Amino acid sequence: DVKVTQSSRYLVKRTGEKVFLECVQDMDHENMFWYRQDPGLGLRLIYFSYDVKMKEKGDIPEGYSVSREKKERFSLILESASTNQTSMYLCASRWIRANTGELFFGEGSRLTVL
Amino acid sequence: AQSVTQPDIHITVSEGASLELRCNYSYGATPYLFWYVQSPGQGLQLLLKYFSGDTLVQGIKGFEAEFKRSQSSFNLRKPSVHWSDAAEYFCAVGAPGNAGNMLTFGGGTRLMVKP
Repeated sequence: DVKVTQSSRYLVKRTGEKVFLECVQDMDHENMFWYRQDPGLGLRLIYFSYDVKMKEKGDIPEGYSVSREKKERFSLILESASTNQTSMYLCASRWIRANTGELFFGEGSRLTVL
Repeated sequence: AQSVTQPDIHITVSEGASLELRCNYSYGATPYLFWYVQSPGQGLQLLLKYFSGDTLVQGIKGFEAEFKRSQSSFNLRKPSVHWSDAAEYFCAVGAPGNAGNMLTFGGGTRLMVKP
């Protein structure tokens, strides 16, 4: 089974702090994604990565950056956290050669910014 | 551009009753279609998917969905709901044969189950 692991399930940070959210997948998937989930808004794509060292902006990249130095790891960075970034963050990956678009998700990281 | 609408934000059913969650999509051809479930505090788990062929697809946990091209719909059904089915359900659409395509998700339907 594909496993996508998000290192922190729950985080509480203060406004202005730098926040790292880590995601690791164990299936050699090329693509990795970071979504933000808010009530009533569904899933919104923040950033995605086609492969190592490649990144593309999604629908709501402002206030975020990402890093993908190794194929299995995709990090989401909040340079200076703000209260409006309080949310559930979901990491996902997929195998591009399957050509189906199917995503495999981690369990999520719930971030609270005070 | 593709889009997905889940018209029902919340649905409450009694345990043992049947369930249908609606999903309508907008896409120029037959898309790839997915239903995901999210239990409280968890990530999304794939329930079922449709790529081609038989328009009635079976998934995990006793769920099924039917693709209706004429109605641009992919509704999720279960004949008898269990209390453990209480969760949020997301429909998603993707462009077939496009490896680089992003999935588009609906806004979700939260299912509550009454004892």
